[in-house]
Amino acid sequence: QVQLVQSGAEMKEPGASVKVSCKASGYTFTGQNIHWVRQVPGQGFEWMGWINPNGGRTNYAPKFQDYVTMTMDTSISTAYMEVNRLRSDDAAVYYCVRDTRNYNMDVWGQGTTVTVSS
Amino acid sequence: QSALTQPASVSGSPGQSIAISCTGTSSDIDFYTYVSWYQQHPGKAPKLIISDVTNRASGVSDRFSGSKSGNTASLTISGLQAEDEAYYYCNSYRRDTSWVFGGGTKLTVL
Repeated sequence: QVQLVQSGAEMKEPGASVKVSCKASGYTFTGQNIHWVRQVPGQGFEWMGWINPNGGRTNYAPKFQDYVTMTMDTSISTAYMEVNRLRSDDAAVYYCVRDTRNYNMDVWGQGTTVTVSS
Repeated sequence: QSALTQPASVSGSPGQSIAISCTGTSSDIDFYTYVSWYQQHPGKAPKLIISDVTNRASGVSDRFSGSKSGNTASLTISGLQAEDEAYYYCNSYRRDTSWVFGGGTKLTVL
């Protein structure tokens, strides 16, 4: 079955970077974009951007353009999302989500909790 | 990006029907049919239940249905069951090529 499996929880200090991985299985990784979405505890979801695994093209939400980087490694069907210069308000659960190829999102990873604290 | 507007909470008794609204703008819900709904139980990842306004995801009960009128989309759950108690989020594609989510609605089954 289609699955997205993310890396484990991270605890970082303010100003550091964190890189979250998302390993896809059960479908052709290069066939569908991967979105990254975050959820601040007790709040809703915020779309961060997507990456096209077939070539690496990206589309970032303006808010994240300057400090988030999305990459992928097609040889291991894995997408990555790196947040640089972490601040306390970057503490959230980060999800990778598969695009349906029709402007919807269907399969979600299990989420990766990122804690930012000194 | 401004979030889509959902009621903070709704409730209903088992067997009843409820509707959750999701209000957007002329740049998202009113312009496109790319509206999805997700169910999230506490501590779990969201699960797709409706895409493209009305299409139920594979394996989702036909008690769940979606609709849209103008800039407002709605999720209706009929024959409420205890396991429907969860948070529900809407999502829409936008003309500026971004996606936006609703703030979420907590459904309580009384």
